Amino acid sequence: DIVMTQSPDSLAVSLGERATINCKSSQSVLYSSTNKNYLAWYQQKPGQPPRLLIYWASTRGSGVPDRFSGGGSGTDFTLTISSLQAEDVAVYYCQQYDTTPITFGQGTRLEIK
Amino acid sequence: QVQLVQSGSELKKPGASVKVSCKASGYTFTTYAMNWVRQAPGQGPEWMGWINTNTGNPTYAQGFTGRFVFSLDTSVSTAYLQINNLKAEDTAVYYCASGSTWSIFDYWGQGTLVTVSS
Repeated sequence: DIVMTQSPDSLAVSLGERATINCKSSQSVLYSSTNKNYLAWYQQKPGQPPRLLIYWASTRGSGVPDRFSGGGSGTDFTLTISSLQAEDVAVYYCQQYDTTPITFGQGTRLEIK
Repeated sequence: QVQLVQSGSELKKPGASVKVSCKASGYTFTTYAMNWVRQAPGQGPEWMGWINTNTGNPTYAQGFTGRFVFSLDTSVSTAYLQINNLKAEDTAVYYCASGSTWSIFDYWGQGTLVTVSS
């Protein structure tokens, strides 16, 4: 199984500042024949299901604000929130869908400093 | 718009069975595969497997074989998750999830809390 490891486990950032979350996969999720990274990011608020933010490592999902961006390739990925808003307080998960079983990171809790 | 609506919370005793439903609307049900995801209290999501909505063929992740059953009723655009011989460690929120691209989960049900307690 591909193990997804996120860092940090929790993060406190001031409103308007940048937040960066890291995700490392135990093996590459870059599929050579498509040159795509099979990596997604989700946001989950209490009592809600996860919400798709980013897929193919850097493509924003429908309706996702452009302050959210994804980067990286192979085994190392980042989710960046360029200017933190109060509504961004949540737990964030990375997910690989390169091979089954599909696996998620352990989550990063983002709070306001 | 696409919606996945799940059945309500369940409280069951150990050894009992539970069947969770997930009714899809806003798209042709057989277009997208349906996945099931478990989230134990305070934990991250865990993929349980998926069912091919065209053929009804289920695929279970390791750890979800034997007691877990995925099924469909395409006439009412509904997917089901049945868990047999419930154990305390099955206590979790169960989500159905789908999307236009394999394993990118654009759409999620609201979740069904299954609590197993004597």
